[in-house]
Amino acid sequence: DTEVTQTPKHLVMGMTNKKSLKCEQHMGHRAMYWYKQKAKKPPELMFVYSYEKLSINESVPSRFSPECPNSSLLNLHLHALQPEDSALYLCASSQPQRRRSYGYTFGSGTRLTVV
Amino acid sequence: AQSVTQPDIHITVSEGASLELRCNYSYGATPYLFWYVQSPGQGLQLLLKYFSGDTLVQGIKGFEAEFKRSQSSFNLRKPSVHWSDAAEYFCAVGGVSNYQLIWGAGTKLIIKP
Repeated sequence: DTEVTQTPKHLVMGMTNKKSLKCEQHMGHRAMYWYKQKAKKPPELMFVYSYEKLSINESVPSRFSPECPNSSLLNLHLHALQPEDSALYLCASSQPQRRRSYGYTFGSGTRLTVV
Repeated sequence: AQSVTQPDIHITVSEGASLELRCNYSYGATPYLFWYVQSPGQGLQLLLKYFSGDTLVQGIKGFEAEFKRSQSSFNLRKPSVHWSDAAEYFCAVGGVSNYQLIWGAGTKLIIKP
């Protein structure tokens, strides 16, 4: 199994809703990432987990809350989002620092629309 | 400052013609270099990567890239494009000691029939 699986593929939520994005990988990778991608732009790093611990938070607003329950799972909890948060949210995984000889594997993303 | 430049916002190529997408980087440490492809509405797929060794790297789908340290370039090539190659292509650079990837702005490849 060499995939990163993201669910749901599409999500429409109101500004008062709470929802979660899920990501799962079974490649034995110990680093997992959340990226945000707006149309026609490169992905922007949001969070990095290394060995299930939050390693990087790129000054992301608190309405986005990441969680890494175990080495295979990564969640992104969403609450009180704004319309400008509408984007493609990508999960990725890799070997940790100094062992990233295989690159980053990305999921197919969750297309989020905030109404 | 660390950066990646993809000079071409979009490129149009006839089906069956050769392709070269340009990527220039500025990075102080030993770089890891990547090319990713993204079809509309999809995630990013790794085409190829360079860490060390042979400067000509073979990837998936018939793509290759050449690392030229003297020119700080990592251009992507394909000898004959197919209509299915139409997509957005991103070049990225990362370092050994951190998780950050620095991304180019992307090049949209359009295939003419």
